[in-house]
Amino acid sequence: SQQGEEDPQALSIQEGENATMNCSYKTSINNLQWYRQNSGRGLVHLILIRSNEREKHSGRLRVTLDTSKKSSSLLITASRAADTASYFCATDAGGKLIFGQGTELSVKP
Amino acid sequence: DTGVSQNPRHKITKRGQNVTFRCDPISEHNRLYWYRQTLGQGPEFLTYFQNEAQLEKSRLLSDRFSAERPKGSFSTLEIQRTEQGDSAMYLCASSPSNTDGYTFGSGTRLTVV
Repeated sequence: SQQGEEDPQALSIQEGENATMNCSYKTSINNLQWYRQNSGRGLVHLILIRSNEREKHSGRLRVTLDTSKKSSSLLITASRAADTASYFCATDAGGKLIFGQGTELSVKP
Repeated sequence: DTGVSQNPRHKITKRGQNVTFRCDPISEHNRLYWYRQTLGQGPEFLTYFQNEAQLEKSRLLSDRFSAERPKGSFSTLEIQRTEQGDSAMYLCASSPSNTDGYTFGSGTRLTVV
């Protein structure tokens, strides 16, 4: 079963703009992770934020976590056409990751 | 060791046939996971191993599905008497522990005709 719900389901922006994706979940978690998937390929791990962290940065990525609201956001700054992909949040609630449905991001040159 | 390797990349089979997929994880990773993904959906958890022990199996995994990880190295996922509903991408991932990110393979795309 899917625990996380991403919002929006699809997002289309111009190169150079920022992209924000949101994720909500239902149960207590140990950590929350974000992954990227290019069409027909495996998933690539982007960033992990632990339940006692509120914000984390990695290059052009910024992730926030609000455990009281059971939500997280992924911000990609200064987007590029190569960022076009599906993005998934995944929650670790003990033992394995449960993935959401994903946000399909399209960055137009 | 360049990552998680899955074979075959594609498999087309007739309904009722058995299929087996292989996953070779990153050698120093203790944990190995199998997921299934259909078009437009997120990966669905199937099962996972810590070393050779299968620790959890999803209710999605019917009796037709079995997974093994002999000696805690590579893993196989077998589907017996395949059905059209089994058509999906089967993804394998590994991680050093339960608190790290996963490294995914490129997946095996199964088509049941």
